Amino acid sequence: GEDVEQSLFLSVREGDSSVINCTYTDSSSTYLYWYKQEPGAGLQLLTYIFSNMDMKQDQRLTVLLNKKDKHLSLRIADTQTGDSAIYFCALRWEGNTPLVFGKGTRLSVIA
Amino acid sequence: NAGVTQTPKFQVLKTGQSMTLQCAQDMNHEYMSWYRQDPGMGLRLIHYSVGAGITDQGEVPNGYNVSRSTTEDFPLRLLSAAPSQTSVYFCATTGGDGYTFGSGTRLTVV
Repeated sequence: GEDVEQSLFLSVREGDSSVINCTYTDSSSTYLYWYKQEPGAGLQLLTYIFSNMDMKQDQRLTVLLNKKDKHLSLRIADTQTGDSAIYFCALRWEGNTPLVFGKGTRLSVIA
Repeated sequence: NAGVTQTPKFQVLKTGQSMTLQCAQDMNHEYMSWYRQDPGMGLRLIHYSVGAGITDQGEVPNGYNVSRSTTEDFPLRLLSAAPSQTSVYFCATTGGDGYTFGSGTRLTVV
């Protein structure tokens, strides 16, 4: 099955950019997602990208997809303390198919 | 508001007890799924359904049963709870692109 890898922790200073990385094994994944989970809360969809795209930008968020290297990244510009959370990379195939999650990256923002 | 509703939010069970976690969606989506979240493990798929009357197993189905008699509801049953089932459970639905998650049920089995 699909294997999705993320580093577990990332610490950045307020105002800096954060880059959260994700690698995966199945190149046929069609939809690639980033979710945010704040302490004690559910999962909030941040953004997603189709496999036929290389980049997507949405305000402070930039998603980059390198299909050759099977690498997905999420860049958060001007990181704020409110961005402290766990960020999950998730992938799925075409149609109503299950999401496969990475283990999540805990982002800590230092004031 | 449209979305996914999970009940209860918290539950403590004794080993061997049974219970049903409820999930209801008002988005008229065919696809629904259950995940469990454990520290350091991310979210793992338990069961999913692509429509009423159709269910299938995910990555960690043992100890859990599901049924899908209506489009709106997808209950998750624990027949005989074990401490290893202590976790946070999320229900999710999708109608195409993005998934919508419920707020979760925190279950403790003692």
